Amino acid sequence: DVKVTQSSRYLVKRTGEKVFLECVQDMDHENMFWYRQDPGLGLRLIYFSYDVKMKEKGDIPEGYSVSREKKERFSLILESASTNQTSMYLCASRGGWETQYFGPGTRLLVL
Amino acid sequence: AQSVTQLGSHVSVSEGALVLLRCNYSSSVPPYLFWYVQYPNQGLQLLLKYTTGATLVKGINGFEAEFKKSETSFHLTKPSAHMSDAAEYFCAVSDRNNDMRFGAGTRLTVKP
Repeated sequence: DVKVTQSSRYLVKRTGEKVFLECVQDMDHENMFWYRQDPGLGLRLIYFSYDVKMKEKGDIPEGYSVSREKKERFSLILESASTNQTSMYLCASRGGWETQYFGPGTRLLVL
Repeated sequence: AQSVTQLGSHVSVSEGALVLLRCNYSSSVPPYLFWYVQYPNQGLQLLLKYTTGATLVKGINGFEAEFKKSETSFHLTKPSAHMSDAAEYFCAVSDRNNDMRFGAGTRLTVKP
């Protein structure tokens, strides 16, 4: 079974803090994705990566950055957390162009 | 660019009744279509997918969906709802590149 894990299920941070969300997949997938999920808006793509050290902006990259130093790990960074970044963050990985496999999500609260 | 519209953000059915969740897509190339389910406080898991071949696709937990090119639809159905089906359901379309688009989701409630 494909496994995508995220470092935290719940996080509480203060405004202005730097926040790291880690995602690891065990299926040697080339493609990895970070989404945020908000009620009524579905999933919105923040960043994706199709190879080590490669990254592409998604639909809402502002306020975020990413890092992919190893194939299995894709990190999302909030340089200076703000309250409007309170959300559920979902990581996904995909081999080729078919099914995306999702992690369990990280619910982030920024106070 | 492709897009997905899910009609109805909330659907409520009685246990044992038919479940019908609607999805319409827009794509400039032959699409790959997916339904995902999300249970509370969990990530998304794949219910079923259409890539090529048979247009009626069967998935897990008794769900199925039919790809109708003429209607640009990929509606999800289940003949008899179960309490455990209560969840949020997402339709998604892929253009075979690195672009997968999700609908806004439909929350399914099952009444006893």
